[in-house]
Amino acid sequence: TQLLEQSPQFLSIQEGENLTVYCNSSSVFSSLQWYRQEPGEGPVLLVTVVTGGEVKKLKRLTFQFGDARKDSSLHITAAQPGDTGLYLCAGSSGNTPLVFGKGTRLSVIA
Amino acid sequence: DTEVTQTPKHLVMGMTNKKSLKCEQHMGHRAMYWYKQKAKKPPELMFVYSYEKLSINESVPSRFSPECPNSSLLNLHLHALQPEDSALYLCASGTSGSTDTQYFGPGTRLTVL
Repeated sequence: TQLLEQSPQFLSIQEGENLTVYCNSSSVFSSLQWYRQEPGEGPVLLVTVVTGGEVKKLKRLTFQFGDARKDSSLHITAAQPGDTGLYLCAGSSGNTPLVFGKGTRLSVIA
Repeated sequence: DTEVTQTPKHLVMGMTNKKSLKCEQHMGHRAMYWYKQKAKKPPELMFVYSYEKLSINESVPSRFSPECPNSSLLNLHLHALQPEDSALYLCASGTSGSTDTQYFGPGTRLTVL
């Protein structure tokens, strides 16, 4: 069974601070997605990474896929209250269902 | 257009009611999914439709009955639900294959009394 371990589970920081969320597995994934979800809403896709070592930037968010395609990280620079939410990583491999991490609940305090 | 729509947004039903959740996508995706999400947990897969055929049923109780009328629509028929079925029900569509990227709808918040 493929598992994605996400850390930390909870993170509370001040506005302007930087943070990194990690998503690790012992399994290789063909691709990995990052989503942000707000309470009562569906997850919103932030990025899909496909190539080992790939780095993608989305404004203040930087996503990296590990060289071996077993892990990924999300780095947020100068966090803002609007970044508050649940961040989910999800891995795809062949024709098996998407595997989700348990999520990181981020709270950015003004 | 990367939008998946779901109706209704909220639903309250009794244990003897029959209701349906609806989902629509116009991205040309051939895979559509139903997920159930409880508070503070990640989404749990319920059903997968691929090319309008049910390809995965994750041992979901028969009181949940999915239907895929065409490649753009996905329904979830509900009957004789239990209070523990209260949750956020999410529909997603995706590209499937080895680099499956899924796009989620806003969800239906279901409360079973």
